[in-house]
Amino acid sequence: TQLLEQSPQFLSIQEGENLTVYCNSSSVFSSLQWYRQEPGEGPVLLVTVVTGGEVKKLKRLTFQFGDARKDSSLHITAAQPGDTGLYLCAAIYNFNKFYFGSGTKLNVKP
Amino acid sequence: NAGVTQTPKFQVLKTGQSMTLQCAQDMNHNSMYWYRQDPGMGLRLIYYSASEGTTDKGEVPNGYNVSRLNKREFSLRLESAAPSQTSVYFCASRDSGREKLFFGSGTQLSVL
Repeated sequence: TQLLEQSPQFLSIQEGENLTVYCNSSSVFSSLQWYRQEPGEGPVLLVTVVTGGEVKKLKRLTFQFGDARKDSSLHITAAQPGDTGLYLCAAIYNFNKFYFGSGTKLNVKP
Repeated sequence: NAGVTQTPKFQVLKTGQSMTLQCAQDMNHNSMYWYRQDPGMGLRLIYYSASEGTTDKGEVPNGYNVSRLNKREFSLRLESAAPSQTSVYFCASRDSGREKLFFGSGTQLSVL
C-alpha cells in the first residue's frame, strides 16, 4: 500500500477546462510537495506547503494543504496543452525520506 | 550547470547479470537518493544517503546495493538482475536543510 494516494490516476481534458488533483494519506506530515514530470525527464518541484490550511498560487495552479495536514489538492484553472505531464505529490518522513504518491497523468488536448 | 547526471541512459540486461548505475551531482549537496519508477506506482525510494559515508534503506531495497563513493557520487548496483527490476531509475540530490529534490533524467533498464 502506498503512503500517499493520488486521484484520479488519469485525466484527459480539453484546453480551457479546470481540474483538481488530490493527494491523500492517513498520516500527518510536516510538509507536502507537488512535482511535475515530463516524459524522459526527472520530476521538477512546483511547490512546498507547510502550514495546515495553507494555499499557494503559481500562475494558474493553486495548491492547498488540508487543515489536518493529511491531504493536499492541486487545482489548475483554464488548463493549457503545456500543462500536460505527470503530477506527483511527495511527503517527507524523518527529515530525510521523501515518499511519492502514485501520480496523476494529465493530458490537455488543444 | 549539469546538476544531477546519470549514466547510462538506457541498458538491457539478461537475467542474472550484474551492473552498476552511476550518479553524480555538482551542486555540493549532502543528501542523495535512488528511486525506481514503474507505471502506476509513482516513485519508490530504494536507498538514500543523508551524508557522505552513510546509507539507509528505503521502501524497496531488496536486490540492490549502494555506495556513496564521495560527496558527489552515489551508485546503485544490481548484483543479479531479475525481470522485476525492469524500471526507470532516478537519482536525486538535496542540500541539507532544504526540502527541494533535484533529479537526474533517469536510466531506463530492461531485464530480459
